[in-house]
Amino acid sequence: GENVEQHPSTLSVQEGDSAVIKCTYSDSASNYFPWYKQELGKRPQLIIDIRSNVGEKKDQRIAVTLNKTAKHFSLHITETQPEDSAVYFCAASISPNDMRFGAGTRLTVKP
Amino acid sequence: DVKVTQSSRYLVKRTGEKVFLECVQDMDHENMFWYRQDPGLGLRLIYFSYDVKMKEKGDIPEGYSVSREKKERFSLILESASTNQTSMYLCASSTMGQPNTEAFFGQGTRLTVV
Repeated sequence: GENVEQHPSTLSVQEGDSAVIKCTYSDSASNYFPWYKQELGKRPQLIIDIRSNVGEKKDQRIAVTLNKTAKHFSLHITETQPEDSAVYFCAASISPNDMRFGAGTRLTVKP
Repeated sequence: DVKVTQSSRYLVKRTGEKVFLECVQDMDHENMFWYRQDPGLGLRLIYFSYDVKMKEKGDIPEGYSVSREKKERFSLILESASTNQTSMYLCASSTMGQPNTEAFFGQGTRLTVV
């Protein structure tokens, strides 16, 4: 099955700075790459996703980039705020019913 | 509003017990998943199901089985609970309506095996 690696495992930034989380995947057939945010004690929720026919997608302060050749994708958060503090998971999917997640990144935004 | 509901938020079971974790979704989703969440290991796929009575092994199926007798319900079974199965268990569902869509998660069941 697909193997997803995520880095870094922890990330601490100052409020207002940018944060970048990177993931690599193993199966070139993967074609869907979502990002989930899990706040403390809550369930993971989708924040942004990208499909393999798109190189970049942006939604307000968050953006995701995909490099199919290198098999990696990244989450970019600009102008970070304390409420961005959470665990972020990347995932890669070959088919709709087979999604694999990375190990997660704990982001802390210091006020 | 999609709802994925897990039957228990917290469970404490004894080693060797048979444990049932239940998950129900109300959006007529075809796909349902069971993940295990451990610090530093992320979400690891235990089993998934894409239709009633269908099941597929994920990455860590050993010690677990599943049942999907109805479309809305997906059960995870620990045949003989062991302490290394102490973890947070998350159920999720998604649709086959278009390729690769959002997975909606339940609130999680924190299982402690003593």
